[in-house]
Parts: sequence; C-alpha cells; structure tokens
Amino acid sequence: EPEVTQTPSHQVTQMGQEVILRCVPISNHLYFYWYRQILGQKVEFLVSFYNNEISEKSEIFDDQFSVERPDGSNFTLKIRSTKLEDSAMYFCASSVSGGAWETQYFGPGTRLLVL
Amino acid sequence: AQSVAQPEDQVNVAEGNPLTVKCTYSVSGNPYLFWYVQYPNRGLQFLLKYITGDNLVKGSYGFEAEFNKSQTSFHLKKPSALVSDSALYFCAVGSSNTGKLIFGQGTTLQVKP
Repeated sequence: EPEVTQTPSHQVTQMGQEVILRCVPISNHLYFYWYRQILGQKVEFLVSFYNNEISEKSEIFDDQFSVERPDGSNFTLKIRSTKLEDSAMYFCASSVSGGAWETQYFGPGTRLLVL
Repeated sequence: AQSVAQPEDQVNVAEGNPLTVKCTYSVSGNPYLFWYVQYPNRGLQFLLKYITGDNLVKGSYGFEAEFNKSQTSFHLKKPSALVSDSALYFCAVGSSNTGKLIFGQGTTLQVKP
C-alpha cells in the first residue's frame, strides 16, 4: 500500500539555523500539506499546496517558512531561521484532491528539536 | 469558525468491553468529519470519515462512528476493545476547499487487559 514518507525522522539544530524537512507524497496525489504538533498539544495546520502554489496557509506559516516541490516526487518544508518554539513534530500529508471531504494520508513525521 | 472538541483527555476501558471516544464539532455548512489514530512514534493513520448519508460509518480495525447532527457529535466506537487499540485518537473536521483539517486536542485510549 502506498505511503507518505518523511526524512529525516529526527533533526536537532541550533537556534537560527536553517532546516529542510523532506516528504515524498503518495504518487498519484495532487494536494500536499504540512502540519505540526508541539509536544502535548493538538495537530495544527501549517500550509496546503497544489499545482506548485500555496493554496492556504495558517498564521503560524510566517516568512520564516517556505514550501517547495523541487521535482516530481519530493515536497519540502524549509524553516529559514529556527526558533526554540519551532521544536515540534512536523507531519506531511497528501490527498488526491483538495476538497474538505477528501482523506489526507499522513507520513510518520519529523521530530525537530531546536536548541 | 470551524472547531472540534474532544472533551476527554483519557478514556480507560477493560479489554473486551465496548469503547466510546467522544467528539463534538462546530461548522458552518456541511460537516466533513474524520477520525485518525496515532500510535507511539508513528504518524496519523486514517480510521474513518463521514461525508454524507448513513449516520453510522464503519472504518478500519473494527471501529465505527456515529454522526448525530442534532447533538453535533461524531463519537468513535468499538464493540469490543483490544489492548492493541491503546493509542491517541484525533477527531478532525475538513474546513475548506483547500483541504485544511482542524483537529481536536486528542484523546488517549488506554485498554487494560
């Protein structure tokens, strides 16, 4: 069964450094998402992406964040200058379409720790 | 604004007993409701969803959920709990045509042998 994959599984970085989190969505899916989960808190939407453009972003997704689909398979989340509060589990998800009824399939997550 | 609430942080059930994990929602328009499960150190796995039609939705691993429009609820149920069902369960609502999911705070299900 096709799965969303994410690398790395864990990343430790120093405050102010740039990090790139990588995702490979399910191959026939067209919509891609990033969510994050701060330890002990709920899963929060960051951004949705379709046709090489951001479809929607949350207030969390400020100028420090960017997303890209650099080739036909990868989908990346870049944090330009990490802050302590960026420490969280980051989940990538994908879906066939972008409708509110569409099932999103999640990857296993990248645990980011900013020191 | 769309929102989802899971009123219980933790639910404890004995193995073999029925389980219910509660979820209530607030949406404008048609509700599209989802349940996901998260096992330790794993991603979110889709269990089931309600789009329209039958109020009782059946999903993976023997789980089902009952949509109740008058009570704005979408409780997750299973007739006979297994120890392996112990995990963190999230209710979510699909909130826009861009696919944004809004999650509840999660409920930890503990099934004791």
